[in-house]
Amino acid sequence: EVQLLESGGGVVQPGGSLRLSCAASGFSFSTYAMNWVRQAPGKGLEWVSAISGNGASTYYADSVKGRFTISRDNAKNTLHLEMNTLGAEDTAVYYCAKVPSVWLILWYFDLWGRGTPVTVSS
Amino acid sequence: EIVLTQSPGTLSLSPGEGATLSCRASQSVSSGSLAWYQQKPGQTPRLLIYGTSSRATGIPDRFSGSGSGTDFTLTISRLEPEDFAVYYCQQYGSSHALTFGGGTKVEIK
Repeated sequence: EVQLLESGGGVVQPGGSLRLSCAASGFSFSTYAMNWVRQAPGKGLEWVSAISGNGASTYYADSVKGRFTISRDNAKNTLHLEMNTLGAEDTAVYYCAKVPSVWLILWYFDLWGRGTPVTVSS
Repeated sequence: EIVLTQSPGTLSLSPGEGATLSCRASQSVSSGSLAWYQQKPGQTPRLLIYGTSSRATGIPDRFSGSGSGTDFTLTISRLEPEDFAVYYCQQYGSSHALTFGGGTKVEIK
């Protein structure tokens, strides 16, 4: 079955760090670019970051640039998001999402995980 | 960054009626690179439309997309009970960032 499964979310204090993971299955993971998208409680979708299939190219939203790092382990079919210096504005459900093209990185998404919640609170 | 503005914020309609959702971009979206997603409460977003007007796999033909440049529309011809949800547009024409609209909620009148 083609699926994405996020993990690693939880409650963290302001200024703290967290590492999210997304396990992929059912498709050739290393072939496709992957993204993180977040959704604050009761709010809309916000794109966070993208990474190419081979991991060589990465992109970030201005709101997380310098604080978040996207990476991937193609041998383990896993996507990561390292989040540092977290603030209340980072509280959200974090989704990993796959693009449908083997050639493009910043594209639309044809597969989403169920998300992992992150709460930044003291 | 391309800002997407969706309107209206909420659409109150009855099953069987048609719905027209708007997505306006702050600058022209390259090559019609606009997608639409549906999200129901507690669920993951679902791709409906890509490339402005192409329906994703399994999406019924009552959903259609149109537009160009800065103005895009999602039309639902006849609302079914399962269509009441929040709809988001997303542009992917930029070379360095993706953006979503704020969403339109389609609720039962």
